[in-house]
Amino acid sequence: DVKVTQSSRYLVKRTGEKVFLECVQDMDHENMFWYRQDPGLGLRLIYFSYDVKMKEKGDIPEGYSVSREKKERFSLILESASTNQTSMYLCASSPPGTSGGPTIRRIAKNIQYFGAGTRLSVL
Amino acid sequence: DQQVKQNSPSLSVQEGRISILNCDYTNSMFDYFLWYKKYPAEGPTFLISISSIKDKNEDGRFTVFLNKSAKHLSLHIVPSQPGDSAVYFCAASDGTSYDKVIFGPGTSLSVIP
Repeated sequence: DVKVTQSSRYLVKRTGEKVFLECVQDMDHENMFWYRQDPGLGLRLIYFSYDVKMKEKGDIPEGYSVSREKKERFSLILESASTNQTSMYLCASSPPGTSGGPTIRRIAKNIQYFGAGTRLSVL
Repeated sequence: DQQVKQNSPSLSVQEGRISILNCDYTNSMFDYFLWYKKYPAEGPTFLISISSIKDKNEDGRFTVFLNKSAKHLSLHIVPSQPGDSAVYFCAASDGTSYDKVIFGPGTSLSVIP
């Protein structure tokens, strides 16, 4: 079974604190993702990584950074936590999608496997 | 602007009846669609998917239908069971951006015994 483990289920932090959210996967997946889930907005992608030391911004990267020093670990960093970053944070991993030739688009057949989430409250 | 929409935030269905969850999308480049299910205090888990070359995919009690011309897909659960009570997320991918998917806001399904 694929396992994605997030280090904390609940966190309470103060405004201005630096916050680290850790995620570890045990399936040797290339891709890892960080989302936040808010009511009515679904899952919004913050950052993702397709390889060690590689990262790409998602849809809402402002106020966040990430680190991927090892293939199995993907960290989300809130440099200076603010109250609008109170949310549920979900980490996911997946193998890469199918590749084709240069004229064929990659077909993203991968399935993402999620951790249980970290509920962060910033006071 | 949301590219993947689930216009019903919640749905209640009697046990044994059919549940139909709807999803609309705006990006015509999407070519792969997935449904995820999420229980409280757990992460989402993959349920079923469909490629744009198909219009139907079935897996046990779950069937997903895709209408490309209407940019609409639906998830049918027959028969519905109390254990199906969860939040269901529709997701879509265009296969071009490092395997990213775009998630809808979710529909909370309650199956009443």
